[in-house]
Amino acid sequence: GQNIDQPTEMTATEGAIVQINCTYQTSGFNGLFWYQQHAGEAPTFLSYNVLDGLEEKGRFSSFLSRSKGYSYLLLKELQMKDSASYLCATNTNAGKSTFGDGTTLTVKP
Amino acid sequence: DTEVTQTPKHLVMGMTNKKSLKCEQHMGHRAMYWYKQKAKKPPELMFVYSYEKLSINESVPSRFSPECPNSSLLNLHLHALQPEDSALYLCASSPPEGGRRFFGQGTRLTVV
Repeated sequence: GQNIDQPTEMTATEGAIVQINCTYQTSGFNGLFWYQQHAGEAPTFLSYNVLDGLEEKGRFSSFLSRSKGYSYLLLKELQMKDSASYLCATNTNAGKSTFGDGTTLTVKP
Repeated sequence: DTEVTQTPKHLVMGMTNKKSLKCEQHMGHRAMYWYKQKAKKPPELMFVYSYEKLSINESVPSRFSPECPNSSLLNLHLHALQPEDSALYLCASSPPEGGRRFFGQGTRLTVV
């Protein structure tokens, strides 16, 4: 089965750093995606972690611990345009991907 | 070309209508997906096609009928829908099945 938890809402200040956590219990786990979705738009890919550790891409980094069933997305130097929903999604050996409910991030001036 | 194109962008249909949603990608991806997304909810997987064959049907009602005419096209045929089927319908593709999803912009469907 699939069980994914992430906070519903977070608020942060422009220029700051925010960490969005995601915990999961996924049978046949094979990796974890992070997507960003602005209201009324399609999700866009941010990162994919398969192995334990931190992957950095510019202002965004993603971390995975397979043994703990835990991931986080780290956003640095927050900008107003980063206000969006952030979805973590687990991937399985069978190729199925299940999304968490998403974290709505609001960036304030 | 790294786009997934969906048409139409908006669709209003009555409960007795028949309509189709279309999705196209030219990235050579061999897996294509249909998702349904309600407001403030994550995308829910409906169907997966892998190498033009239906590989996953998430117990979707038969009033939704997918079709994959070739490796670049994916259709979703709609018939006798209910108002609760109103949602954003997202198409996505990935290189192999299970890879990173490339999403189209979606079709906003309203059933009246």
